[in-house]
Amino acid sequence: GENVEQHPSTLSVQEGDSAVIKCTYSDSASNYFPWYKQELGKRPQLIIDIRSNVGEKKDQRIAVTLNKTAKHFSLHITETQPEDSAVYFCAASKSGGSYIPTFGRGTSLIVHP
Amino acid sequence: DTGVSQDPRHKITKRGQNVTFRCDPISEHNRLYWYRQTLGQGPEFLTYFQNEAQLEKSRLLSDRFSAERPKGSFSTLEIQRTEQGDSAMYLCASSWSLAANTGELFFGEGSRLTVL
Repeated sequence: GENVEQHPSTLSVQEGDSAVIKCTYSDSASNYFPWYKQELGKRPQLIIDIRSNVGEKKDQRIAVTLNKTAKHFSLHITETQPEDSAVYFCAASKSGGSYIPTFGRGTSLIVHP
Repeated sequence: DTGVSQDPRHKITKRGQNVTFRCDPISEHNRLYWYRQTLGQGPEFLTYFQNEAQLEKSRLLSDRFSAERPKGSFSTLEIQRTEQGDSAMYLCASSWSLAANTGELFFGEGSRLTVL
């Protein structure tokens, strides 16, 4: 089955700095890569996703890049703000059929004011 | 419809007891997932329904675990003869398989189980 590795487990930055979280996946057939944000005590929520036919996607201060050859993808957050503090999970899956996302272990992002 | 709801939010039980969790998905969603999350880990897949059919179960799901989704609406997850290792957050998620943005899971807030 799919295996997703996520690094780092904890990331501490100053407000205004950039943050990068990296994930690798094992199944070359995976073609859909979402990122979820989970604030303390709350449910995970999708913040951005990318499909394998695209190399990069941006949405305001967040962006995701995908390298299919190397089987890794990354989340980039620019101009971090304290409200970005949360746990971020990457996931990988094959769309269509039994779509079952496999999640990474999560990255706890702490943004210091 | 305010999203995916789960009940109870917290459950404390003694080892050996049975527990049942309920999930009410977003009404138009045809897919429903159960995940388990422990501290410092990402959600681990347990089982998945498309409408009322249970299509896949993880090897993590021992014989003590059973899930149902009668009539393709709400779902229940039952754990029999609970063990301390079952202590975790049980997350339910739903999605619509034919939407343009297929793949997004909408999570509930989870049911936290503590087995003493």
